[in-house]
Amino acid sequence: GAGVSQTPSNKVTEKGKYVELRCDPISGHTALYWYRQSLGQGPEFLIYFQGTGAADDSGLPNDRFFAVRPEGSVSTLKIQRTERGDSAVYLCASSSLASDTQYFGPGTRLTVL
Amino acid sequence: AQTVTQSQPEMSVQEAETVTLSCTYDTSESDYYLFWYKQPPSRQMILVIRQEAYKQQNATENRFSVNFQKAAKSFSLKISDSQLGDAAMYFCAYRRWGSNYKLTFGKGTLLTVNP
Repeated sequence: GAGVSQTPSNKVTEKGKYVELRCDPISGHTALYWYRQSLGQGPEFLIYFQGTGAADDSGLPNDRFFAVRPEGSVSTLKIQRTERGDSAVYLCASSSLASDTQYFGPGTRLTVL
Repeated sequence: AQTVTQSQPEMSVQEAETVTLSCTYDTSESDYYLFWYKQPPSRQMILVIRQEAYKQQNATENRFSVNFQKAAKSFSLKISDSQLGDAAMYFCAYRRWGSNYKLTFGKGTLLTVNP
């Protein structure tokens, strides 16, 4: 079946703009995660959804970052008033309720000029 | 808080040879999972191998095997008969026991395979 998909693949924006990044998980996966990977670093956790609710948002760096998953499937990561330091690859992963394995999408590379 | 350390920023290996990537971690928990993920230039994180901490037997997946030393909190990855397609960033990751917890990653090791 289809894997995790993320759109857009690349996003270039200007400082201060608003961006939305989309994640479409594997069908039937109830858990969805967002990670941020800065250049030369490993991915860092941002937020985790179980169904429609955010079960753990402890990784969101500040209130400019927000994520939703209104129907328990597709999720959108929203970043307001973007800063150059937000430039990174944003990775999405999903897993089933009983699984201990997270399956990752190809990521969105965000560049803030 | 759990931490994962990969002390080798870069490693290289000759095709068909064996290479070992190191990983250490810190946790106060007794049950957990450990993973190795591969990230090629396409950015897609691909699961290579996983280990449950309660299992004494080291996990093996074809040419990939781990040396899990729980007391030493060490989790190294051995790649045998290295192939050109093994060239990638390799990340070690930790996860709490139970379903659906976040992964904590190391900084990664860039593996180059020389023909």
